[in-house]
Amino acid sequence: LAKTTQPISMDSYEGQEVNITCSHNNIATNDYITWYQQFPSQGPRFIIQGYKTKVTNEVASLFIPADRKSSTLSLPRVSLSDTAVYYCLVGDRGFKTIFGAGTRLFVKA
Amino acid sequence: NAGVTQTPKFQVLKTGQSMTLQCAQDMNHNSMYWYRQDPGMGLRLIYYSASEGTTDKGEVPNGYNVSRLNKREFSLRLESAAPSQTSVYFCASSVSGQGEFFGPGTRLTVL
Repeated sequence: LAKTTQPISMDSYEGQEVNITCSHNNIATNDYITWYQQFPSQGPRFIIQGYKTKVTNEVASLFIPADRKSSTLSLPRVSLSDTAVYYCLVGDRGFKTIFGAGTRLFVKA
Repeated sequence: NAGVTQTPKFQVLKTGQSMTLQCAQDMNHNSMYWYRQDPGMGLRLIYYSASEGTTDKGEVPNGYNVSRLNKREFSLRLESAAPSQTSVYFCASSVSGQGEFFGPGTRLTVL
C-alpha cells in the first residue's frame, strides 16, 4: 500500500480556489487515487477518484501528473461549508484502505 | 434510500463487557467495512467483507470479531471491551473498486 503525505492544515478565504497536494512516491501500477472529505462528527464522504491525467465532477477536480507520484485536489470557489478534513488515499481499489491524518482545511469569511 | 445505517449512535461500556455494533446498507453493495477513528486521527480499518460470506482482517483487528449476516448487514462484536477501544466506529459499504459510503458512526466509551 502506497504511503501518502499531505499538508497537515491549510487556510483559505471564501471564493478562492483551493489546491491540496498529496505525495505518493511509491504508487503502484494498479493503484488509484481517491479523496474523501470529513466534517466533525460525521463519516467521510467520497469526493473523487482517478488514475491519471484529470478527473472532474460537480464538486472538485483531480489532477494527476504523468509520473503519478503526486496528485492535487482542486476545490473551486470554496465556501465556509468546505471547512473539513480532506484525506488522500492510494490503493488498488482493493479492500485494505488506509487513511492518513488528512489535511485540515479552514475557510475564513 | 437510507444509505448506511448504524446502531447504536452512542454506547458506554464497562471494561470486560461485550456488545455488538450493527450496520446495514440498502444500496446493494457487495463490500462492507468497519473502521475506528480515534480523536484527531485518520480512520483505521478493522475488518472488511469483500462479498457476502467472506470477511478479512484489516489493519487493527485484535479484540474484534465480525459477521456478514447477509448482503445488507455487517456487525462488529467486542467480546471483552477495553478502554483502548474507546473510539468512534464507522461502517462503510461500496461497489467493489469504487468509493466507499460511510454511516454516521457509533461513539463508544469504555470505562
